[in-house]
Amino acid sequence: GAVVSQHPSWVICKSGTSVKIECRSLDFQATTMFWYRQFPKQSLMLMATSNEGSKATYEQGVEKDKFLINHASLTLSTLTVTSAHPEDSSFYICSAYGPGTTTNEKLFFGSGTQLSVL
Amino acid sequence: QKEVEQNSGPLSVPEGAIASLNCTYSDRVSQSFFWYRQYSGKSPELIMSIYSNGDKEDGRFTAQLNKASQYVSLLIRDSQPSDSATYLCAVNGAGNNRKLIWGLGTSLAVNP
Repeated sequence: GAVVSQHPSWVICKSGTSVKIECRSLDFQATTMFWYRQFPKQSLMLMATSNEGSKATYEQGVEKDKFLINHASLTLSTLTVTSAHPEDSSFYICSAYGPGTTTNEKLFFGSGTQLSVL
Repeated sequence: QKEVEQNSGPLSVPEGAIASLNCTYSDRVSQSFFWYRQYSGKSPELIMSIYSNGDKEDGRFTAQLNKASQYVSLLIRDSQPSDSATYLCAVNGAGNNRKLIWGLGTSLAVNP
């Protein structure tokens, strides 16, 4: 299947700093990528839909100024957690539709990023 | 009422047994149903998808869908310790809203 590469796998940062997470589609173009957050023992929560060349669409309750999404190319979307605080500590996962499709059956996930804010 | 509900478990079964995982959903117009497996600290991976009433089998996995009862289940035959994971049910609706709605997941433990 298609591969979605996500980096870093884990990051520890001090409160108040910013953290950037990268999500790349390997060998295929992804015009749309999704960013999820998952707290321990909780379900996946969609944060935003990232569209190449346009502004991301954020879900209700997600602060767009705090979670900056950039999708400048067809293979790369980035999520920047600005001025991170301990409550932002979570597992962040990106996903993209496989090549040539927009069906959820072909939704591929990155490996996730565990963010810990001290 | 939560949109997609699952029993959080843990569900514990002996190796070789059948594990039965259940999911109910609230949106009657939902058209697509997915089961994902998620190991601790890892991202989800698709196990099964089902769109029509009835059963769909793939190896040791069988998905069952009953739209009238708004119920979808996953059966795992000959359970193995490697099946121990959290199983997430995801549902999306018809039309232009194709966002997946996720359940909280059921934790499955297969005991050797």
